[in-house]
Amino acid sequence: NAGVTQTPKFQVLKTGQSMTLQCAQDMNHNSMYWYRQDPGMGLRLIYYSASEGTTDKGEVPNGYNVSRLNKREFSLRLESAAPSQTSVYFCASSETRGAAAFFGQGTRLTVV
Amino acid sequence: GEDVEQSLFLSVREGDSSVINCTYTDSSSTYLYWYKQEPGAGLQLLTYIFSNMDMKQDQRLTVLLNKKDKHLSLRIADTQTGDSAIYFCAEKDNDMRFGAGTRLTVKP
Repeated sequence: NAGVTQTPKFQVLKTGQSMTLQCAQDMNHNSMYWYRQDPGMGLRLIYYSASEGTTDKGEVPNGYNVSRLNKREFSLRLESAAPSQTSVYFCASSETRGAAAFFGQGTRLTVV
Repeated sequence: GEDVEQSLFLSVREGDSSVINCTYTDSSSTYLYWYKQEPGAGLQLLTYIFSNMDMKQDQRLTVLLNKKDKHLSLRIADTQTGDSAIYFCAEKDNDMRFGAGTRLTVKP
């Protein structure tokens, strides 16, 4: 039972570099999410996707883009990384929006 | 915006009960959740309660909901060292909104 799989687990970027975080779920869920977790701030929603081809901005979308090419996969792209984007990123999925979510293991990103 | 608030730290002795509290502000929340995050891992759904319930018990876990005061609590009976983790409460109206998490430390 894979659930939600994120890659990579760790990444160090230089300011201005770009990268894509990958996420895939095998539970046939419609909804997928990208969150960032910062100390003392809980999880904040970056982007949400209700279905293939649709995405909505969350609480903190600036500096990020997302792509939901199919039902399984939801990727998060940083076009020009900034130190403020140093965080732990979590992908999650649920049957419907706001329902109990299943989380990936997280990606710890450091931007220097 | 709507906020979910939790205290950041809780320390208990092994075998004692732990009570983690949470307050929320969105009265239209339909579900309230508790998630557990162990070091280096993602969040794992622990339990949830529907907004028209007052209490839910699941083995060592008891969730109490006071909808009038918008207060949610998670009680862990006979707390073990393996319960050491960060516990997040979350409310669901349209989207899920998380608190900052309570770091539970269990001392032997």
